[in-house]
Amino acid sequence: AQKVTQAQTEISVVEKEDVTLDCVYETRDTTYYLFWYKQPPSGELVFLIRRNSFDEQNEISGRYSWNFQKSTSSFNFTITASQVVDSAVYFCALSVGGDYGQNFVFGPGTRLSVLP
Amino acid sequence: KAGVTQTPRYLIKTRGQQVTLSCSPISGHRSVSWYQQTPGQGLQFLFEYFSETQRNKGNFPGRFSGRQFSNSRSEMNVSTLELGDSALYLCASSFDRGTEAFFGQGTRLTVV
Repeated sequence: AQKVTQAQTEISVVEKEDVTLDCVYETRDTTYYLFWYKQPPSGELVFLIRRNSFDEQNEISGRYSWNFQKSTSSFNFTITASQVVDSAVYFCALSVGGDYGQNFVFGPGTRLSVLP
Repeated sequence: KAGVTQTPRYLIKTRGQQVTLSCSPISGHRSVSWYQQTPGQGLQFLFEYFSETQRNKGNFPGRFSGRQFSNSRSEMNVSTLELGDSALYLCASSFDRGTEAFFGQGTRLTVV
């Protein structure tokens, strides 16, 4: 069975601080995909990044960066110089390959509040 | 490129009634998945359709069903509504398994 853990339920930071959101996953499959989504108050889940299990290269996109470490089964997300618009709930998700189709297992989410 | 469209956005139903929710995926996407989001259980997978076939199903009772049409549009139906079915129902559109999924704004269902 697959599982995603996001230990941080809520985080509050002051604008311009850096913040890291933790994600730990569990799966026995060797082929799997990891995702991060952002859910603003409007409710729509916004896609941020996708990583497959064979690509451990870290990625940076503007103020966002992701650290994928298979050795610790973690896929952490860092926001540099946070802004008020970053306030949202962030979800880490796991999807496995094989015959399971498209089925995301989501973590419980981390609510990020960026204060001005 | 048009996004994922879910209708209606809001619904209020009475216990025992049934409801049908609709989802139009991104053009070219053949996979449509449905998720239920509640404060207590978080985001839970309901089912996924690909080219009109249900490819995977989550752990929900048979009152929850779905289908997909030849144009990839999908509907989900919930029969004999219960108070616990009150939730945000999200539809996700993707090209295939393992690819990024794009979500609609959801249908907020309230059962009274």
